[in-house]
Amino acid sequence: GAGVSQTPSNKVTEKGKYVELRCDPISGHTALYWYRQSLGQGPEFLIYFQGTGAADDSGLPNDRFFAVRPEGSVSTLKIQRTERGDSAVYLCASSLRDRDSPLHFGNGTRLTVT
Amino acid sequence: AQKVTQAQTEISVVEKEDVTLDCVYETRDTTYYLFWYKQPPSGELVFLIRRNSFDEQNEISGRYSWNFQKSTSSFNFTITASQVVDSAVYFCALRGYQKVTFGTGTKLQVIP
Repeated sequence: GAGVSQTPSNKVTEKGKYVELRCDPISGHTALYWYRQSLGQGPEFLIYFQGTGAADDSGLPNDRFFAVRPEGSVSTLKIQRTERGDSAVYLCASSLRDRDSPLHFGNGTRLTVT
Repeated sequence: AQKVTQAQTEISVVEKEDVTLDCVYETRDTTYYLFWYKQPPSGELVFLIRRNSFDEQNEISGRYSWNFQKSTSSFNFTITASQVVDSAVYFCALRGYQKVTFGTGTKLQVIP
């Protein structure tokens, strides 16, 4: 079956612009995660959805970052007034509801803010 | 709060050597799950193994084995007879009641 799909794979934007990153999880996976990974670092937790609701958004760095999952499937990570420090690979992962279910990751969106 | 520490930043081994990657974790949750992931140069994170907190039995799966010790909060991962294709960054991860927390990763280079 299809894996986690993230679009776009690359996004270059100017400082101050608004961007949206999309994640299409594996069908049937109720849990969806967003992570951010900088070069040489581990994935940094941003937000976790269980169904349509954000179960934990403690990793969002500030109010410029927002994520939605309106129908419990596709999710969009939105970044307002982008800054150069937002440049990173944004990873999306999905899993079954069970806590021992592993995360299945997409290939990520590489965001570059110039 | 959850924390995962991978003290080894980079390891180099010669092909066919065994290599152990260390992971130490912190959590207040009484039930939790531990994972190892591999991130090859292509970039996609791939799940390797998992262990739950109430089962300390260590296992072997092919060339992979893991040693979970609750008393020392460690979840070490061993690759036996390493191969060049094992070269990647390896991440240890912890899942409590909510989010999954990753360590900073250990870069493994297997030299032919």
